[in-house]
This record gives sequence, structure tokens and C-alpha cells, in this order.
Amino acid sequence: NIVLTQSPATLSVTPGESVSLSCRASQSISTSIHWYQQKSNESPRLLIKYASQSISGIPSRFSGSGSGTDFTLSINRVESEDFSIYYCQQSYSSLYTFGAGTKLELK
Amino acid sequence: EVQLVESGGGLVQPGRSLKLSCAASGFTFSNYYMAWVRQAPKKGLEWVATISTSGSRTYYPDSVKGRFTISRDNAKSSLYLQMNSLKSEDTATYYCASLTTGGFDYWGQGVMVTVSS
Repeated sequence: NIVLTQSPATLSVTPGESVSLSCRASQSISTSIHWYQQKSNESPRLLIKYASQSISGIPSRFSGSGSGTDFTLSINRVESEDFSIYYCQQSYSSLYTFGAGTKLELK
Repeated sequence: EVQLVESGGGLVQPGRSLKLSCAASGFTFSNYYMAWVRQAPKKGLEWVATISTSGSRTYYPDSVKGRFTISRDNAKSSLYLQMNSLKSEDTATYYCASLTTGGFDYWGQGVMVTVSS
């Protein structure tokens, strides 16, 4: 199975800061990575698909990059509504896997 | 507007069975792969099952393979998850999700399954 390692586990920031969240795959997965945001007591929401493709309705401050084994979700100037947990997920293998998540919290 | 509405959750004893349903609307259900994803209390997301458009292909992780069965009824725009031989570690919120354009792009509100004696 493809293992996804997200880092850091927790990221403490103040609103207005720009941040980068990392997701590393245990083998090369091309650009078959997707990013989700999950706010407390809500269903996850797709933010970015295939490493860097934007999703309709998602604010432009969210962007993704990477290929192969290293991927990054960037948030340009964090807003208060962005404090939540972020997950990456691979679809390179039919046996999908998620990373353990990065919690973005208020500093 | 895409809607996915799960039902069928509840409290069940270890070793027993439960069947979840997901009613889809707002898109052409029969054209897309569908999946179940679960989340144990205070834990991360875990993919549980995927089914192809016709239902001829299904995929499961080792943690549920042989115990869970995903199925669909395209005429009813409905997705199902039959869960047998349930264990305490299957306790989770179960989400129905669509795979329309890449990634799990639409999610239901989730249904809670508690496995306990």
C-alpha cells in the first residue's frame, strides 16, 4: 500500500501568515494526489485535485504543487475560517489511502 | 445541486451485520464511480470501498475485505454498504462520496455506526 506522510502534524499560525503543508508518498505517484479540508463536525471538502488543479468555489488562496513523491498545499494569507484539519489522499493505486492530516490552529 | 444522504447507521453488537444506504441526487449517478470513507472518533479518514459505474468492479482495503460489500442500484441512484462480522474497530462515521472529476468531490453528511455490546 502507498503510505502518505503529512507534516507537520500541527501548525500554529496567526491570521495573515502564509503556510505550506507537506505530503510525502512512499513511492512515486505522479500527480495523483488530492487535498481536503475538514472543519470540526463537518464532512471533508475537496480543495485541490491532481496535485495542482483548482476546484470551483474554493478560494484562490489555496494552491497545490508537486509531483512524484513530494507535494505541498499552500495557503496564502491564512484567514480565520481556514483553521481546520487538512488531509492528502492518493488515487494512483486503486487502493486509496489518506495521510494522517495536518491540523492548522490559531497561534 | 449534488446531494448525498446516508442512512442505516446505529448501534450494533460485535459480530452482527448492518447495511448502510446512500441516496444520490443532482448528478447522473450511473456515470460515476462511488465510494465509502469512514472516520473513527477523533481519528483521520480511512477509505473503505469503491465501486465502478456498472458495479462490476469493487475495491477494498485489507481492513474490511471479506467482511464489507459495496453495491449500487443505478435505477434508484443509490449506493449501499453491507457490513458483516462487525468489530469494535469498525465504529466510525461513514461517508458516502462520489468520484466524478478526480478525488472524492462530493460527500454526504455521514452516518454513525457504533459497534458495542
